[in-house]
Amino acid sequence: DIQMTQSPSSLSAAVGDRVTITCRASQGINNYLAWFQQKPGKAPKSLIYGASSLQSGVPSKFSGSGSGTDFTLTISSLQPEDFATYYCQQYKSYPITFGQGTRLEI
Amino acid sequence: EVQLVESGGGLVQPGGSLRLSCAPSGFSFSNHWMGWVRQAPGKGLEWVANIKKDGNERNYVDSVKGRFTISRDNAKKSLFLQMNTLRAEDTAVYYCARASATYVSFYDYWGQGALVTVSS
Repeated sequence: DIQMTQSPSSLSAAVGDRVTITCRASQGINNYLAWFQQKPGKAPKSLIYGASSLQSGVPSKFSGSGSGTDFTLTISSLQPEDFATYYCQQYKSYPITFGQGTRLEI
Repeated sequence: EVQLVESGGGLVQPGGSLRLSCAPSGFSFSNHWMGWVRQAPGKGLEWVANIKKDGNERNYVDSVKGRFTISRDNAKKSLFLQMNTLRAEDTAVYYCARASATYVSFYDYWGQGALVTVSS
């Protein structure tokens, strides 16, 4: 199985900040990498697919990069609604696996 | 508007069975792979299973193989997850998710989730 490791596990930031979350795959996954945002008690929301393609309707403040084993999600100009937990997911091979999540706190 | 509505969750004893359903709307159901993803209380996301557009291919995480069965009825526009021999560790919110048109395992839309609690 491909293990996905996110860092950091939690992150404190202020409104207006820019933050970067890292996701590392235990083996190469090309660009079969997605990012999701989840708020407490809600379903995950897709943000990025193909490592860097923005899902329809997602603001451009979210950006993704990387290929192979190392990936990043960057969120610029943090707003109160951005404070949530973020997950990466590989869909290169079965079983599909997620990172453990990064909790972004104010 | 794409919507996915799960139903069928509840409390079940260890060793028991439960069947989850997912009712999609707002898109052509038969043109998309579908999947189930679960989240144990306070934990992260775990992919459970997916099924091909025509139902002829199914994939499962090892921990549910032989116990869970994913199926679909394209004529009735429904997705199912039959869960047998349930264990305490199966306790989770189960999300129905639609795969994008391009990638069979990238989930672009998710339902609100159905809570399954396995406890005596």
